[in-house]
Amino acid sequence: AAGVIQSPRHLIKEKRETATLKCYPIPRHDTVYWYQQGPGQDPQFLISFYEKMQSDKGSIPDRFSAQQFSDYHSELNMSSLELGDSALYFCASSEGVGKLFFGSGTQLSVL
Amino acid sequence: GESVGLHLPTLSVQEGDNSIINCAYSNSASDYFIWYKQESGKGPQFIIDIRSNMDKRQGQRVTVLLNKTVKHLSLQIAATQPGDSAVYFCAENLDSYTGNQFYFGTGTSLTVIP
Repeated sequence: AAGVIQSPRHLIKEKRETATLKCYPIPRHDTVYWYQQGPGQDPQFLISFYEKMQSDKGSIPDRFSAQQFSDYHSELNMSSLELGDSALYFCASSEGVGKLFFGSGTQLSVL
Repeated sequence: GESVGLHLPTLSVQEGDNSIINCAYSNSASDYFIWYKQESGKGPQFIIDIRSNMDKRQGQRVTVLLNKTVKHLSLQIAATQPGDSAVYFCAENLDSYTGNQFYFGTGTSLTVIP
């Protein structure tokens, strides 16, 4: 069965650079979520989109933005990267209100 | 966000024994809960879910119990196997009828001893 696909798998950036993470949800899933997970931490909700509109907002920094496109894929844009942004970034998708299915994540390292 | 916490950060069990992982949640309005399993370097994997109108739900080798009175959730794994070694998270949805924002608690690391 198709799963949530994220790219890239790993990303290395320097401070103050920008990064773009991509997420392709499970086909027919209309809702996409972004989570950030630091080492040994629980996933922290950043933002979600339903039918290409932002639906919920969590602890997403102002330096980050995201959007969902007409094909339902989503991108998380991160600017002015800081060392503390180093983390695993997960995308999840769901069909309406329901269980979330997660991708394998993007490991972002900011040097 | 709301606090969802686990009682124990680590749990070690012998292969074949049953495992019980606990979770306390703070918001009595939460109406939907999911248990996730996360292996190292991988995304959280759905195990089982339960809605607030139920107090027990069973899956394959797993059972989730919900006690709304004390705001407690538990995951029982029967006949634990080495492949069950992972970090387990509970996640709560404050209002699944109007939104789908899940809050994760601190994970419990389960180690299965062969």
